[in-house]
Amino acid sequence: EVQVVESGGGLVHPGESLRLSCAVSGFTVTNNYMTWVRQAPGKGLEWVSSIYTDGATYYADSVRGRFSISRDNYKNTVYLQLNSLRAEDTALYYCARDVRFAGSPPAFDYWGQGTLVFVSS
Amino acid sequence: DIQMTQSPSSLSASVGDRVTITCRASQSVGTYLNWYQQKPGRAPNLLIYAASSLETGVPSRFSGSGSGTDFSLTISSLQPEDFATYYCQHSYGILYTFGQGTKVEIK
Repeated sequence: EVQVVESGGGLVHPGESLRLSCAVSGFTVTNNYMTWVRQAPGKGLEWVSSIYTDGATYYADSVRGRFSISRDNYKNTVYLQLNSLRAEDTALYYCARDVRFAGSPPAFDYWGQGTLVFVSS
Repeated sequence: DIQMTQSPSSLSASVGDRVTITCRASQSVGTYLNWYQQKPGRAPNLLIYAASSLETGVPSRFSGSGSGTDFSLTISSLQPEDFATYYCQHSYGILYTFGQGTKVEIK
């Protein structure tokens, strides 16, 4: 059974940092593309960052230079380091698998339940 | 960046109705278009990938169509469990974008 479990969220002040974790079971993060998506309270979904099987990383313009995605192959966990946090980063952060079905375009098929980041002074 | 625009933003419908949601991309994304359903307090759920392919386990009343810049999600006969918010998302290139969402409410 596949499980995706996020953790690490919390209440922080502007300018502070957090590290989010995404622990996976049922597939290996090394062999899959992984992504973070966030959702501000009452708002829509926003793609944040992805890490590819070759280790390449990509970021939305809104977080590039402040956030960093990485993975630990032994722990089968993906991380999102959030630095220089702003009030507008307040959101529920989801981790998801970015699957590429047999030559089909990417899609996010397995999602966790999210971890909440609240940035406030 | 490619912008995704959904319409309508919300709609009211009755059980048994046929419902269509549209999604327009600001430039061609081929068939790199996915649809998700999200219920309150829950994570999004993949319904349709590659514009028209039904994800395993998703009821056949859901269907997707389109290519290029214009896409649609159709629910052939709305069921009580289908009242939710629906999002389109392009996966063309490396910077993905979601539409703003369409909330389907009970009439």
